[in-house]
Amino acid sequence: QKEVEQNSGPLSVPEGAIASLNCTYSDRGSQSFFWYRQYSGKSPELIMSIYSNGDKEDGRFTAQLNKASQYVSLLIRDSQPSDSATYLCAVRDDKIIFGKGTRLHILP
Amino acid sequence: DGGITQSPKYLFRKEGQNVTLSCEQNLNHDAMYWYRQDPGQGLRLIYYSQIVNDFQKGDIAEGYSVSREKKESFPLTVTSAQKNPTAFYLCASSPRTHQETQYFGPGTRLLVL
Repeated sequence: QKEVEQNSGPLSVPEGAIASLNCTYSDRGSQSFFWYRQYSGKSPELIMSIYSNGDKEDGRFTAQLNKASQYVSLLIRDSQPSDSATYLCAVRDDKIIFGKGTRLHILP
Repeated sequence: DGGITQSPKYLFRKEGQNVTLSCEQNLNHDAMYWYRQDPGQGLRLIYYSQIVNDFQKGDIAEGYSVSREKKESFPLTVTSAQKNPTAFYLCASSPRTHQETQYFGPGTRLLVL
């Protein structure tokens, strides 16, 4: 059974600090990795995708991938209250598998 | 305005009733998907379709049915055989198959009366 694991949280981070979200996956053959943000009662919204080892930056967001260790992380710099949401990690091999998400709470 | 639309936003089902959730996309995507999300749970794949007139079961297809008569439309029917239908239902699409990033519609929340 292929799995994607995330800490459910909540993860509380002061406003302006860096929020670090982590995800591990079981299938070494996974090719693509995604981070989605989901506000309460809303649908998931794609934030980042990453396909190769290393870092990928987009504004305040940085995705990090380490295929040897089978983990992918998302860093949010200068955290804002509007970043408070659930963050879903998704991993694709032959199909996309979603983690259960980490609830992030930015403290004003 | 390109995107994925789902209707209705809220749907109430009576005991023994079949209900149909609508999903339409104007992104010209070949692939469409239906997921179910329960509180505190991840997304579980119900059905997906890679091309018109073809679809495959996902991980939790029992009690559900779909059709794909048009590229733009992928309706989901929750049948009376689905004994625990209360959930948030999400439709998604991608340019081709699972090989592409998926984009989600706004969702339909199904409640049982």
